[in-house]
Amino acid sequence: DADVTQTPRNRITKTGKRIMLECSQTKGHDRMYWYRQDPGLGLRLIYYSFDVKDINKGEISDGYSVSRQAQAKFSLSLESAIPNQTALYFCATSDLAPGQHNEQFFGPGTRLTVL
Amino acid sequence: AQTVTQSQPEMSVQEAETVTLSCTYDTSESDYYLFWYKQPPSRQMILVIRQEAYKQQNATENRFSVNFQKAAKSFSLKISDSQLGDAAMYFCAYRRDNQGGKLIFGQGTELSVKP
Repeated sequence: DADVTQTPRNRITKTGKRIMLECSQTKGHDRMYWYRQDPGLGLRLIYYSFDVKDINKGEISDGYSVSRQAQAKFSLSLESAIPNQTALYFCATSDLAPGQHNEQFFGPGTRLTVL
Repeated sequence: AQTVTQSQPEMSVQEAETVTLSCTYDTSESDYYLFWYKQPPSRQMILVIRQEAYKQQNATENRFSVNFQKAAKSFSLKISDSQLGDAAMYFCAYRRDNQGGKLIFGQGTELSVKP
């Protein structure tokens, strides 16, 4: 089974709809991240969480909100979707272990299209 | 603020040949990590290689190696003996410290491999 899972994998929605993207991990990591990928822009950080009680805005948080329901779950919500939120969304996790590389592990991505 | 720049949107290489992907970054920090990620058509983000800034020796992973020039803030990826399976989008990324912090990505380079 995959260590980091995202649901749904693909979603088409309409302008103004509320949508939630979910991320779950079995790696036992405290840190979780949401990125969006756009052509020519690479991946940009939306929100990140260092533990259940710690939520931080990233580079492009406007129009998004998040919820850290448990150590293993981190959800991204679009309260009122707009077409320029059409993108590929990635969840990632990382550990915080002294002396280790603590690299990020990515989920498979969610392709979101807002019409 | 830290930035990462990949100036080659597309590159092409003949199978079995060598190709070098360029990446430059800007930071005032002295302790950081640099990464190259591969994203095949499956969309999965795969870590190819990492470089710790305090290490002078260039990292190597099988056919993949880097040329890390700290003073010039340059971090290029060399792929030797290119294979058809190397065709993918490649992202350069920066992380400020070894605390599992957020990644800053370049725009990506689309690599095609010709048989």
